[in-house]
Amino acid sequence: DQQVKQNSPSLSVQEGRISILNCDYTNSMFDYFLWYKKYPAEGPTFLISISSIKDKNEDGRFTVFLNKSAKHLSLHIVPSQPGDSAVYFCAARDVAGNNRKLIWGLGTSLAVNP
Amino acid sequence: ETGVTQTPRHLVMGMTNKKSLKCEQHLGHNAMYWYKQSAKKPLELMFVYSLEERVENNSVPSRFSPECPNSSHLFLHLHTLQPEDSALYLCASSQGPYRREKLFFGSGTQLSVL
Repeated sequence: DQQVKQNSPSLSVQEGRISILNCDYTNSMFDYFLWYKKYPAEGPTFLISISSIKDKNEDGRFTVFLNKSAKHLSLHIVPSQPGDSAVYFCAARDVAGNNRKLIWGLGTSLAVNP
Repeated sequence: ETGVTQTPRHLVMGMTNKKSLKCEQHLGHNAMYWYKQSAKKPLELMFVYSLEERVENNSVPSRFSPECPNSSHLFLHLHTLQPEDSALYLCASSQGPYRREKLFFGSGTQLSVL
């Protein structure tokens, strides 16, 4: 069973508007959360992260919100630009055991229309 | 060159072939990884190397054989693969094996097994 779920396989927004990508998780042992972005024919690139002791982290147009009680995080992109069109992966770090494994979601494909 | 480079970008092989995937990182990192991305599945960690020593093997079949001759190079030797092994194989690096939350990925090798 998936521990990190991105329930929307795709999302389409207009340029200049807000994009909100969602991610739900089931394991309360996750202590760190990350978003990666992937363009076609390229590997994923790190975008932004948040520690479980925070509820918000902002980097330019990108903000990640964490709601621990709901086991939910979201990535907000404001304003959205056509160059943001990519697949966005949510990942969570599991501190159980020694290896601090990253657990990945399936990704959400974002299309920003001009 | 900068970043993480992988060759070849595409590979088609028969089930009886032997081939190798190559990865090189120019970031001065100490840890390297092989990931597998199959359709409709999350990224799966296959192997982790730290300073040329394999520190993690996530129950990967023996038909996949990794090799790390130095901290900059990583290979994945393939033999007698199955069609279900067709996937995108991604190499990544990080500053250390326990800094895996911030990974730098290559563009991947798209493998098709016929």
